[in-house]
Parts: sequence; C-alpha cells; structure tokens
Amino acid sequence: GQQVMQIPQYQHVQEGEDFTTYCNSSTTLSNIQWYKQRPGGHPVFLIQLVKSGEVKKQKRLTFQFGEAKKNSSLHITATQTTDVGTYFCAAINTGTASKLTFGTGTRLQVTL
Amino acid sequence: DTGVSQDPRHKITKRGQNVTFRCDPISEHNRLYWYRQTLGQGPEFLTYFQNEAQLEKSRLLSDRFSAERPKGSFSTLEIQRTEQGDSAMYLCASSFKIQGKNTGELFFGEGSRLTVL
Repeated sequence: GQQVMQIPQYQHVQEGEDFTTYCNSSTTLSNIQWYKQRPGGHPVFLIQLVKSGEVKKQKRLTFQFGEAKKNSSLHITATQTTDVGTYFCAAINTGTASKLTFGTGTRLQVTL
Repeated sequence: DTGVSQDPRHKITKRGQNVTFRCDPISEHNRLYWYRQTLGQGPEFLTYFQNEAQLEKSRLLSDRFSAERPKGSFSTLEIQRTEQGDSAMYLCASSFKIQGKNTGELFFGEGSRLTVL
C-alpha cells in the first residue's frame, strides 16, 4: 500500500531556531494535508495543498507542495515553545478514493 | 460542544473480550473515519463511511473488527476477541465532502484508548 515517509523522525531545537520537516511519497498525490498533534492530544488540521508547486504561509509556518506532487515540506521560522508537538503530513493518492494516509510524523521539541 | 465526541475515552479489557467504541461526528459532516494510533506512530487508516455506506476498509483490518454507521450519523467500532496487539488509541474523525471537490480537513475526536491485558 501507499507509504508516506517523513524525515526527520525527531528534532530538538532551541527556541528561535528554524525547523523543517519533509514528507515524501513514492506515488503522485492528489493533495496533501498537514496536521499537528500536541503531546496527549489529537491531530489538528493545519493546511491543505492541492496544486503542484503550491506554497502557503501561516504566520511563521510555510508549507510547500513539490512540483511533481510527490513531496511536501513544512518550515517553521523562529520556533517557539508552543510549536512543540508531532507534525504529520497526510496524503490522498490520485489512484485511490478519499482515504487519507498519514505520514510517520516528525516530533519537534523546543527548549529555551 | 459541537466537535467530534468519542466514548468511552478509556477502556481496559481482558484478552478475548469484545469492546465497542462510539463516535458522534460533527452533525453536518457526511464522512466519518476510524484510525488507530500507537505510541510514536502516525494514525493508521481503518475504515471510512460516506453517510451510511462503508466505502473502504483497510486490508490490514482483521475480521475481528467491524464498523457501522447505521443512520449516517454516529458510528460504532467493535473489536471481537481482543488481543494484546489491539491496544492503541482509536481515533474517529469526520469531514464534509462536496461532490467533485477534494476531501476536506478532518476533525478528530479525543480518541478512545484501549488497553488489553
């Protein structure tokens, strides 16, 4: 079945440093969504990307969808302790129905 | 509270027992999803419904798992003859799908944590 890999698995940064997580699929994606899960919480939707090469920004967060629609990235500028959590990409394969397949996640730890 | 609600939040059971989880989605949402999540992993797709129709079920799901959404509103997920490997957080999510448009964002419930002893 479809696999969506994320790297790194874990990153520890100091507050104020930047952070990037990458999401890769072996198959072409219809669209991609990003979710954040705080420790002990449930996934919360951040954004959806649909178009090839699309870039969207939410304050300090920048999301990008690859030209080939097989990869995506999330970049956080000047991290804050409130950014702590696990970031998941979730993808819909063009060849399937609307099942959303979640990536392996990147856990972000931010310390002062 | 108009979010997705799940019940029970925690369930401890002995191996071999049956358990049932309930999910009440956001009322106007026509799609309902079940995912399973273990520690350190991403949510793993189990099944999803559009209205009352079960449109897809994971091939990883054994016959011990069954889900229903009889009236297109709430859903139940039953696990029969539970095994220790079933211990996980069972997450329900709902969304609103408009014909011809991509799947929208999923709204997750708090989850039902299952521990099988």
